[in-house]
Amino acid sequence: QVQLVQSGVEVKKPGASVKVSCKASGYTFTSYGISWVRQAPGQGPEWMGWMNTYNGYTNYAQTLQGRVTMTTDTSTTTAYMELRSLISDDTAVYYCVRAPLFSTAVIPAFDYWGQGTLLTVSS
Amino acid sequence: DIQMTQSPSSLSASVGDRVTLTCRAGQSILTFLNWYQQQPGKAPKLLIYSSSTLQNGVPSRFGGSGSGTDFTLTISSLQPEDFATYYCQQSYSYPWTFGQGTKVEIK
Repeated sequence: QVQLVQSGVEVKKPGASVKVSCKASGYTFTSYGISWVRQAPGQGPEWMGWMNTYNGYTNYAQTLQGRVTMTTDTSTTTAYMELRSLISDDTAVYYCVRAPLFSTAVIPAFDYWGQGTLLTVSS
Repeated sequence: DIQMTQSPSSLSASVGDRVTLTCRAGQSILTFLNWYQQQPGKAPKLLIYSSSTLQNGVPSRFGGSGSGTDFTLTISSLQPEDFATYYCQQSYSYPWTFGQGTKVEIK
């Protein structure tokens, strides 16, 4: 069965960086993209970006350009999301999600989600 | 960015009720509209994609419709496990944006 298993809780100070991992299993890793979605307390989800796991192409949210980097290690089927220069507004639960590679995909949606990683940014 | 607006923001209903949630896109998104259910403390779960297609394993009491800018999610007979927050999301163009959610509460 498809599973996305994320790394654990993180507590960081403003200005620091965080790197969250997401181990995928149960499907062919390079046949799907990976997106990252975050959800601040009491808010709706926010798309952060998407990565083509096949060729490494990335597409980041404009609001995070320059602070976020998404990578993958296809040998271990693990995706990573690094966020730098953290501020208190980055406090949220961060999810990795399986995403389609192409706009013509049968399911143009996020069909599998990781369990979430809580990031707290506080001095 | 395409803005997604959901209404109402919350509603109270009883087990067995028929409930309808709405979602409006800021521009036409054809049928690139998805619905997710989120229980407290859990990750969102995909219910419906492409406006009206039920994800595998989702009960048939859930139904979706709409195209262009106006969409609805209907639960034909509310069950105890359906009390949750529901989000719509457009997958027409990046960034894939979500609505702010409709919380379905027990009356």
